[in-house]
Amino acid sequence: EVQLLESGGGLVQPGGSLRLSCAASGFTFSSYAMTWVRQAPGKGLEWVSSSSGSGDSRYYADSVRGRFSISRDNSKNTLFLQMNSLRAEDTAVYYCAKHFGFYIGSPMGDYWGQGTLVTVSS
Amino acid sequence: QTVVTQEPSFSVSPGGTVTLTCGLSSGSVSTTNYPSWYKQAPGQAPLTLIYSTNTRSSGVPDRFSGSILGNKAALTITGAQADDESDYYCVLYMGSGIWVFGGGTKLTVL
Repeated sequence: EVQLLESGGGLVQPGGSLRLSCAASGFTFSSYAMTWVRQAPGKGLEWVSSSSGSGDSRYYADSVRGRFSISRDNSKNTLFLQMNSLRAEDTAVYYCAKHFGFYIGSPMGDYWGQGTLVTVSS
Repeated sequence: QTVVTQEPSFSVSPGGTVTLTCGLSSGSVSTTNYPSWYKQAPGQAPLTLIYSTNTRSSGVPDRFSGSILGNKAALTITGAQADDESDYYCVLYMGSGIWVFGGGTKLTVL
């Protein structure tokens, strides 16, 4: 059974940092692209960042580029999102999602995690 | 800045048919955008309904179908049920590793 379990969310002050993790199981992790999607309270879904199966290709939304960094440890079946210089507008539930294929251009959402809440506030 | 457009809200009668659309602020949606559709209930993670324009995700009933209609991607729900009342999102692949979600459609069944 495929499972994606996010962790690492919490309350952080503006300008602070946080590292999210997404632990994957039930599939060959290195064979699939992975994506982070976020949802601010009462708002819609927003694509944040994607990584190819190997981790060699990584892309970011304009809103987070230069502040967030996606990475993965294929030996530990875990996806990460390092978030620096956090702002109030980064407050959201962060979901990780598995793609249907290796490349970032393959459809996303084969499976979704349940999300982890990040709150940026003083 | 590319904007993906969706109807903010839509209503359908029980048993009826509704088509939600997903367009681009500039240009046409095509199969190379690999349009996907998601259903999201309040407080829940998204559920994938359709990917790559018209492929139903595992376990999704055939009441849900995807297509390209004119210059937009479309999600059609036939035989609407009370349980279909939810938020629906589309996402498009813009190339160069970039995905863009639409703003979502709140579907009411009444």
